Amino acid sequence: DQQVKQNSPSLSVQEGRISILNCDYTNSMFDYFLWYKKYPAEGPTFLISISSIKDKNEDGRFTVFLNKSAKHLSLHIVPSQPGDSAVYFCAPSGTGGTSYGKLTFGQGTILTVHP
Amino acid sequence: DAGITQSPRYKITETGRQVTLMCHQTWSHSYMFWYRQDLGHGLRLIYYSAAADITDKGEVPDGYVVSRSKTENFPLTLESATRSQTSVYFCASTDRNPNQPQHFGDGTRLSIL
Repeated sequence: DQQVKQNSPSLSVQEGRISILNCDYTNSMFDYFLWYKKYPAEGPTFLISISSIKDKNEDGRFTVFLNKSAKHLSLHIVPSQPGDSAVYFCAPSGTGGTSYGKLTFGQGTILTVHP
Repeated sequence: DAGITQSPRYKITETGRQVTLMCHQTWSHSYMFWYRQDLGHGLRLIYYSAAADITDKGEVPDGYVVSRSKTENFPLTLESATRSQTSVYFCASTDRNPNQPQHFGDGTRLSIL
């Protein structure tokens, strides 16, 4: 039973356009949501996060939106650049229950940005 | 150099052998984690540690053993390796928990023949 789902295994966009990566979760104990980016042969690196008390967090070209009622979040990258090509993981965590202090990763979405 | 390092980067071994993956961090972070990455599963937590001598199971702990005698080191041991443990293993650390970004090493690719 996967608590975190990234239903798009891959996404291909043109340089300069918007990339939208989606993530759905089922565990209502999640209250903090992180996005990680991963290049081949490297470890994941933290990208951006959002607390459940917010519905939007922005950092430069990256914006994360959270819809708690739908248990859905999305990462927007605009404008997309070829260097953004990587695997993106959604990773919620929680402060209660069995999710306390633990990240639960989605399966990842491979983003390819074409020049 | 400051950071989190894993060794070896690549390892090939045979079923039934014992193998230890090393993780070392120079930040003096309290929390350390071990994950495995498999196709279709993202990263799954194996074990984690809140401080030296404090460890706890994650989602997929069976077949693994950890120890944390020093804050900076968190080795992961496969006592009798099986083919299903072929995977890429990542170590991570953070200074505060929960809800703080974890910093990851570059991984160990382990193949069990």
